[in-house]
Amino acid sequence: GAVVSQHPSWVICKSGTSVKIECRSLDFQATTMFWYRQFPKQSLMLMATSNEGSKATYEQGVEKDKFLINHASLTLSTLTVTSAHPEDSSFYICSVFTGTSGGTRVDTQYFGPGTRLTVL
Amino acid sequence: GENVEQHPSTLSVQEGDSAVIKCTYSDSASNYFPWYKQELGKRPQLIIDIRSNVGEKKDQRIAVTLNKTAKHFSLHITETQPEDSAVYFCASGAGGYQKVTFGTGTKLQVIP
Repeated sequence: GAVVSQHPSWVICKSGTSVKIECRSLDFQATTMFWYRQFPKQSLMLMATSNEGSKATYEQGVEKDKFLINHASLTLSTLTVTSAHPEDSSFYICSVFTGTSGGTRVDTQYFGPGTRLTVL
Repeated sequence: GENVEQHPSTLSVQEGDSAVIKCTYSDSASNYFPWYKQELGKRPQLIIDIRSNVGEKKDQRIAVTLNKTAKHFSLHITETQPEDSAVYFCASGAGGYQKVTFGTGTKLQVIP
């Protein structure tokens, strides 16, 4: 299966600063990556779909100007949390799917190890 | 958009007993139904998935059933072991777009 890494694994920052999280697909070229957010004891909520070479697609209620996504290559997507506040503290996880066949999805979703963001 | 409901939210079973987690979905176009196991502080791990062209799939102690007419699918774990203790998430998605919607999660505790 696909190997996905994230960096950093955890970060603590002051309120008002920006934080960049990297998601790398180490053995698979991903035209699409997904960014999720998970608050403690809650489910994963899709934030946005990162598209290589084009603009990201954001889910309803997610501020695109606050959560900047850049997918500059087939192996790297970055999520920048701008002007972070304590309510942005969460577990951020990226994922990739591998493989489609004739327009039908026959692939599997692999998650990165996640980045725990704490905003003081 | 898709809405996935999952229950129970917590489940305690004795070691060796079976555990069943149920999910329902709303979008009739959904045709991909994965199940994930997540241990505390770690990433979700795919444990089994099923696509709409089959009604049941089994992998050792884990099985999943799908009823497309009723729009529900279930995870069955037999002969539970303490290491099965974790949070389990169901999810559903429509082919092609690769976007999945997660259920609310079930915290499974297997008591030795």
